[in-house]
Amino acid sequence: EAQVTQNPRYLITVTGKKLTVTCSQNMNHEYMSWYRQDPGLGLRQIYYSMNVEVTDKGDVPEGYKVSRKEKRNFPLILESPSPNQTSLYFCASSLEGLASGEQFFGPGTRLTVL
Amino acid sequence: GENVEQHPSTLSVQEGDSAVIKCTYSDSASNYFPWYKQELGKRPQLIIDIRSNVGEKKDQRIAVTLNKTAKHFSLHITETQPEDSAVYFCAATKTSYDKVIFGPGTSLSVIP
Repeated sequence: EAQVTQNPRYLITVTGKKLTVTCSQNMNHEYMSWYRQDPGLGLRQIYYSMNVEVTDKGDVPEGYKVSRKEKRNFPLILESPSPNQTSLYFCASSLEGLASGEQFFGPGTRLTVL
Repeated sequence: GENVEQHPSTLSVQEGDSAVIKCTYSDSASNYFPWYKQELGKRPQLIIDIRSNVGEKKDQRIAVTLNKTAKHFSLHITETQPEDSAVYFCAATKTSYDKVIFGPGTSLSVIP
């Protein structure tokens, strides 16, 4: 089944404790992206990747890191999480970039930073 | 940078009526405008999209119109049904490999 998976789905952590949220897609998509969703603000793009080893900042990259060592995986890293990073996070992928067609979203990861 | 505004933030309609959601964008270079629907507790899903070389696109009860001069695009849902109740997001992007800016969302409620 074609899908985007994220792990963990729920995470409660404390300020400053490094964490990684994994994202994987099995559709051989080139474009992958991370978003955070907050009430009243919609979806805001954190980072995106056009292909292996090619990443770029989205609208709200501060406090986050990403890597794209393999085509299928695009982990999101919070080196020193802070309470303002409490949010719902979505990973997404599309075949050749957003403008070429549909972006498929993962199920979401709800992160709480205490 | 690009900014996308979306109105209204909430919309309530009677079943069978039409619903219209409007978005405006700031970057005239934007050329791809998708609309996503997000049901409660679920992930966003693409429902329709439009490119800058097209003025209107329809898919059954859903249509999107684009006015490049005014830099706005709208989602039209006709004959609304309770299952249309969801949050709808518009977005804009310039090229295939560019960042995406989403609007803040519209919560649509269809009253049976």
